[in-house]
Amino acid sequence: KQEVTQIPAALSVPEGENLVLNCSFTDSAIYNLQWFRQDPGKGLTSLLLIQSSQREQTSGRLNASLDKSSGRSTLYIAASQPGDSATYLCAVKGGADGLTFGKGTHLIIQP
Amino acid sequence: DTAVSQTPKYLVTQMGNDKSIKCEQNLGHDTMYWYKQDSKKFLKIMFSYNNKELIINETVPNRFSPKSPDKAHLNLHINSLELGDSAVYFCASSQDRVGWEETQYFGPGTRLLVL
Repeated sequence: KQEVTQIPAALSVPEGENLVLNCSFTDSAIYNLQWFRQDPGKGLTSLLLIQSSQREQTSGRLNASLDKSSGRSTLYIAASQPGDSATYLCAVKGGADGLTFGKGTHLIIQP
Repeated sequence: DTAVSQTPKYLVTQMGNDKSIKCEQNLGHDTMYWYKQDSKKFLKIMFSYNNKELIINETVPNRFSPKSPDKAHLNLHINSLELGDSAVYFCASSQDRVGWEETQYFGPGTRLLVL
């Protein structure tokens, strides 16, 4: 059974810092890995999707990497801004059922 | 236009009642899903459905049933509601059920409170 772990559970940093969020998964037989953002009381917004054959994806100040063999992914946020404050969720797609999610990293960027 | 929409946004009801949550997607996707986010904010898959097959997470009680009148809609029916059903329910869709490129798009969620 696939399990996804995210570290740290919470993170608070000053504005402007670069930061890394970590995700690990137990079963490397995945189709893809997605990073989502969830704002309080809101739905999920897809940030990046990395296919299992890919090593990384970039979108603006976000860069996600994937090391499938070791079951790890990182989300790198450059030059953080207060608007980046949210919960970041990592999820893997392993088969015909839905995504398996981690419990998220609650990120606060201090102005 | 909202890609994946859900109604209602909030639902407060008594224990033992039967309720439905509606979901619609205008993305032309073939596959839809229901997820439950519990009080600890943990998201878990409940159902995966396209017009050929329904996959049910084995932990979902049979009081929960998805109903799909057409490809663009997947409604969630809940019978005999219990206190533990209180959660946020998210609908999602993707082009394919199994694929390397498929991104899942989520609705805004329905906040269910059972009293």
